[in-house]
Amino acid sequence: NAGVTQTPKFRILKIGQSMTLQCTQDMNHNYMYWYRQDPGMGLKLIYYSVGAGITDKGEVPNGYNVSRSTTEDFPLRLELAAPSQTSVYFCASTSGLAGGEETQYFGPGTRLLVL
Amino acid sequence: AQRVTQPEKLLSVFKGAPVELKCNYSYSGSPELFWYVQYSRQRLQLLLRHISRESIKGFTADLNKGETSFHLKKPFAQEEDSAMYYCALKWGAQKLVFGQGTRLTINP
Repeated sequence: NAGVTQTPKFRILKIGQSMTLQCTQDMNHNYMYWYRQDPGMGLKLIYYSVGAGITDKGEVPNGYNVSRSTTEDFPLRLELAAPSQTSVYFCASTSGLAGGEETQYFGPGTRLLVL
Repeated sequence: AQRVTQPEKLLSVFKGAPVELKCNYSYSGSPELFWYVQYSRQRLQLLLRHISRESIKGFTADLNKGETSFHLKKPFAQEEDSAMYYCALKWGAQKLVFGQGTRLTINP
């Protein structure tokens, strides 16, 4: 049981390039989330999903896209990378079941540098 | 709008001393609060939640609705408590809003 896994661990992008951050969970969780963490700041929600085929915007969605074709995977797409997207990105999941555990389980993070 | 404030970015105490990490929140609904911790080279993980009223690793936190606070306390700090601590508020569809975090350093 690996929990939440993220790839890559670290990436350098040039301005204007695009990339996909991968996130997979093996806990059969319905809810998945993407956060970004800027230096000295807390985590901010980018997008979230309450189940396969359902996604919604969080606090800071601009410049990002997501999809949720399966329960396990929740990739985050950056189109036209900008220096402002330099950050550490965390994926998380939780069961979302009524009466179920509410803990969000986090991945190890992806450090992204846009130059 | 919902907001979580951790007024101290850095907190340094000596081993054996009491620790209190402050957290204040702003939320119009019934609050559900959590403390998450990130130890060096480890991923963010849940430390405790106010609903369960449990003590984890000697830490406790009481929800004070009058003061809109959820401070994290430990009577005797240990070196292994050094970490980054985040207070978080649950809202909406199991969404969390996080405070800025407090880096706790326990000096020997």
